[in-house]
Amino acid sequence: SQTIHQWPATLVQPVGSPLSLECTVEGTSNPNLYWYRQAAGRGLQLLFYSVGIGQISSEVPQNLSASRPQDRQFILSSKKLLLSDSGFYLCAWSRPGTGELFFGEGSRLTVL
Amino acid sequence: EDQVTQSPEALRLQEGESSSLNCSYTVSGLRGLFWYRQDPGKGPEFLFTLYSAGEEKEKERLKATLTKKESFLHITAPKPEDSATYLCAVQDTGGFKTIFGAGTRLFVKA
Repeated sequence: SQTIHQWPATLVQPVGSPLSLECTVEGTSNPNLYWYRQAAGRGLQLLFYSVGIGQISSEVPQNLSASRPQDRQFILSSKKLLLSDSGFYLCAWSRPGTGELFFGEGSRLTVL
Repeated sequence: EDQVTQSPEALRLQEGESSSLNCSYTVSGLRGLFWYRQDPGKGPEFLFTLYSAGEEKEKERLKATLTKKESFLHITAPKPEDSATYLCAVQDTGGFKTIFGAGTRLFVKA
């Protein structure tokens, strides 16, 4: 069966510090991968998606970036965090050609 | 632009009191409409996919229906363990982007 792992689960970072969130998928190959952010009381906002190694599409211009160094690994990064980057970050995968998303447990980021 | 609106924002029910959640959507070409359940502090869990008007899907006490402009999630005789946020989402025929609504928080009291 397929599983998705996301870490860290919780982190508190000062403004201006770097960020790295990691996500890995097991039990499938060539998945589509996604990073979403969820603000309190709001819907999920798509940040990045990837259909293959090294292929990243950005949906929202901001100080975040994403990379896909391996088929089943997806990384969300920032060089300098802003207060507005606080939120609940979710990694998800889907099978190519299908729309169902399977989410990780999420990473709650607080920027102080 | 694709848009998803869910109502109500919150719904409080007594155990056994059936009700429905609404999801209105605007999309250029619908590839699929999805329902997810999200527990506090967790990632969303996939429930259903609906592809065309008139389609229905059921799972335990939940039934999802679809028209050309909206979808309903019917909850029959809910139990406290059904308490969660229910998210509706659409994917257009472009393929990769899934747009989510803000969700309906459901509280079921014993």
